[in-house]
Amino acid sequence: GQSLEQPSEVTAVEGAIVQINCTYQTSGFYGLSWYQQHDGGAPTFLSYNALDGLEETGRFSSFLSRSDSYGYLLLQELQMKDSASYFCAVRTSGAGSYQLTFGKGTKLSVIP
Amino acid sequence: GAGVSQSPSNKVTEKGKDVELRCDPISGHTALYWYRQSLGQGLEFLIYFQGNSAPDKSGLPSDRFSAERTGGSVSTLTIQRTQQEDSAVYLCASSLGGADWNSPLHFGNGTRLTVT
Repeated sequence: GQSLEQPSEVTAVEGAIVQINCTYQTSGFYGLSWYQQHDGGAPTFLSYNALDGLEETGRFSSFLSRSDSYGYLLLQELQMKDSASYFCAVRTSGAGSYQLTFGKGTKLSVIP
Repeated sequence: GAGVSQSPSNKVTEKGKDVELRCDPISGHTALYWYRQSLGQGLEFLIYFQGNSAPDKSGLPSDRFSAERTGGSVSTLTIQRTQQEDSAVYLCASSLGGADWNSPLHFGNGTRLTVT
């Protein structure tokens, strides 16, 4: 099976930088994704890392180290609207299926 | 274009009743997923359809749960003899699938199911 670990809650100040870590255990690995979900809303895709290194998309960056089974999401210049839950997810394969397994999510609270 | 559409948005049912939840994916998306999310919790995988292949049902919690996808498009998740622990938000997502099997998921707004 597969498991993902991420902190349950993080609090950060507006304008600051925050890093949300994710470690995973899985058989067969096809990349690490991040999704954002505001309260009462649908999850939306943020980023994807298939290879080691840093991917940058505006204020958000995501990092992957396959040898360490570890990744993180970095949010810079935090804004109040970044308050949301952030989920890491891994794509695994088995019996022809490529399902996406999610972590339990990290609730980010941005305070003034 | 239109996103993933789910209906109903809310459903209240009595324990022991059957419910059907509907998902209309984005046109052209061949992969369709169902997840369950309890209050403040993560997304629990239920089932995954890819084109005409046999679905991956490995996440269905019991034989009371079933899903079908007709014509490679609309999907229905059926829960028989509902129990209070089935209360959750049921999320449907679709993605390009096929050769783009690793493409991002697009989620619907979910169906909030409450079993009384």
